[in-house]
Amino acid sequence: AQTVTQSQPEMSVQEAETVTLSCTYDTSESNYYLFWYKQPPSRQMILVIRQEAYKQQNATENRFSVNFQKAAKSFSLKISDSQLGDTAMYFCAFMKGGSSNTGKLIFGQGTTLQVKP
Amino acid sequence: NAGVTQTPKFRILKIGQSMTLQCAQDMNHNYMYWYRQDPGMGLKLIYYSVGAGITDKGEVPNGYNVSRSTTEDFPLRLELAAPSQTSVYFCASSYTRGVKYFGPGTRLLVL
Repeated sequence: AQTVTQSQPEMSVQEAETVTLSCTYDTSESNYYLFWYKQPPSRQMILVIRQEAYKQQNATENRFSVNFQKAAKSFSLKISDSQLGDTAMYFCAFMKGGSSNTGKLIFGQGTTLQVKP
Repeated sequence: NAGVTQTPKFRILKIGQSMTLQCAQDMNHNYMYWYRQDPGMGLKLIYYSVGAGITDKGEVPNGYNVSRSTTEDFPLRLELAAPSQTSVYFCASSYTRGVKYFGPGTRLLVL
């Protein structure tokens, strides 16, 4: 079975600074996808970034980038130039790939990020 | 497009009552999912469906039932509500098995 672990329950960062959120996962699959979701106080789940395991290049989306270390099974999220609107809970998630994949997401416990002015 | 809609937004149930959480999507997505999120925790999969007429259990299906008679709708039924079912419930859909679109959630309180 796959597991996703986020070891930082809470983090804070000053506005305009950079912060990194950690995520590790455990799987025996070779074909999979990893995601970071943001959940602001509104509770809406928002996809931040996605990484395919077969791609060596780290995904980036504007101020958000990942450090994907496949051998170490690590998938951290870096937020650059933090903004007040980045205050939210962030979830790391895993999804199996391949033809038998049903699209099920396995979530970590979440990291609450507070951006301070 | 309205995306994924969920009703109600909030509900208080008494122990032993039943209710149906509604979920609908207008994107013609085949895949639909129900997750629950307990306070301060990540989401856990309750049930999912890969198409009309096809449903299967997720990690935490006990106490719930689903049906998928149309592509658009995926209701979640709670029978004999228990305090352990106090949670926020999210419905999600996707066209393929990839990116999910989540609904706004239904907050349920069982007293």
